[in-house]
Amino acid sequence: QVHLVQSGAEVKKPGASMKVSCKTSGYTFTSSGINWVRQAPGQGLEWMGWISTPNSNTVFAQKFQGRVTMTTDTSTSTAYMELRNLRSDDTAVYYCARAEGYSYGSGSYFVDYFDYWGQGTLVTVSS
Amino acid sequence: QSVLTQPPSASGTPGQRVTISCSGSSSNIGSNAVNWYQHLPGTAPKLLISRNNQRPSGVSDRFSGSKSGTSASLAISGLQSEDEADYYCATWDDSLNGVVFGGGTKLTVL
Repeated sequence: QVHLVQSGAEVKKPGASMKVSCKTSGYTFTSSGINWVRQAPGQGLEWMGWISTPNSNTVFAQKFQGRVTMTTDTSTSTAYMELRNLRSDDTAVYYCARAEGYSYGSGSYFVDYFDYWGQGTLVTVSS
Repeated sequence: QSVLTQPPSASGTPGQRVTISCSGSSSNIGSNAVNWYQHLPGTAPKLLISRNNQRPSGVSDRFSGSKSGTSASLAISGLQSEDEADYYCATWDDSLNGVVFGGGTKLTVL
């Protein structure tokens, strides 16, 4: 069975960086990409971006461009999401989620439904 | 403000049928399939409906989805107390080149 297991909760100071891991199992890691989605307290789900696992191509929500990096380690079937220059409004539960996707070229992408999700990682940004 | 518009709340009594709407535009729902997720507090969201109306294995047939034009809806029949959760629609937006979510609908079973 498919599992996505995320790293534990973190507390960060404003201006610092965070890096969350998402270790996958139960399927061929390079057969589907990985999304990152967050939920701030009292808010809805917010998509941050997607990484292709075969070639590490990425597409990000405009809001996070320049501040987020998504990477993968195919040797351990693990995806990572790093968010820099943290602010208090980055306090949220961060989820990884599996989804197929593809590039049309010229920077255009499509990402399909999220069929499996990690358990979530609470990141608190506070001075 | 979310790109996709959902009612913030919905409610029903056990056994009733409830529908949750999701409204978008030509660049998102009008061009791409809609997916629905169920989210219980403290747990990971769960895929409920994929590609407008497909139920993943293990999802009860009490849940169904539909799409018409730039709107979609999720129907839950035979409402049960365990259905009390937040429900989100989502799809790809060609103009934004990203996944967009609705703001979520909190379903209360009275």
